[in-house]
Amino acid sequence: NAGVMQNPRHLVRRRGQEARLRCSPMKGHSHVYWYRQLPEEGLKFMVYLQKENIIDESGMPKERFSAEFPKEGPSILRIQQVVRGDSAAYFCASSPPGGHSPLHFGNGTRLTVT
Amino acid sequence: SQQGEEDPQALSIQEGENATMNCSYKTSINNLQWYRQNSGRGLVHLILIRSNEREKHSGRLRVTLDTSKKSSSLLITASRAADTASYFCATDGSRNQFYFGTGTSLTVIP
Repeated sequence: NAGVMQNPRHLVRRRGQEARLRCSPMKGHSHVYWYRQLPEEGLKFMVYLQKENIIDESGMPKERFSAEFPKEGPSILRIQQVVRGDSAAYFCASSPPGGHSPLHFGNGTRLTVT
Repeated sequence: SQQGEEDPQALSIQEGENATMNCSYKTSINNLQWYRQNSGRGLVHLILIRSNEREKHSGRLRVTLDTSKKSSSLLITASRAADTASYFCATDGSRNQFYFGTGTSLTVIP
């Protein structure tokens, strides 16, 4: 049973380019969460999605960031017109339906903006 | 912010000693979880304690929860070098989202 898969592992973008981060949840999991982690810091909640639905995006910056979790395929976190401050590790986690279950994390995508 | 706060920020102990780290949070919860993160990797779930529980054990881990003080502690007994990692507490929000603390960085010296 494959765990949460994130790709790419490392992503380098120049300022102004777009970054697309992908997350395939564990089989049977319909809830996806995205977190951002800066070096030596904790995880900041960004967005919580269920299939075709954004449940809570209170942690998402108002501009340039968007997330989706379509009926088929992985969840995508999209950052448009990246800036140096977007450089961070982005983690995806998934959980089964029902809520209040432990999260299963991927190994993250490390985004570097040059 | 609903985010928890772990204390201490960093902890260094000798192998075989016990390690205790604390978590404080701000709002009411349904459950609290502890996770571990090795350098460069994703988080791994360790233990979940529900709001109506006061203590829970799992192997060398012991977690306590005091909802009146909005705090939890994680005790790792007989620590090993392999326990070196960052440890985070997570609390659930009103919509089943999860908020993580700032973490305790534990170093176990062989």
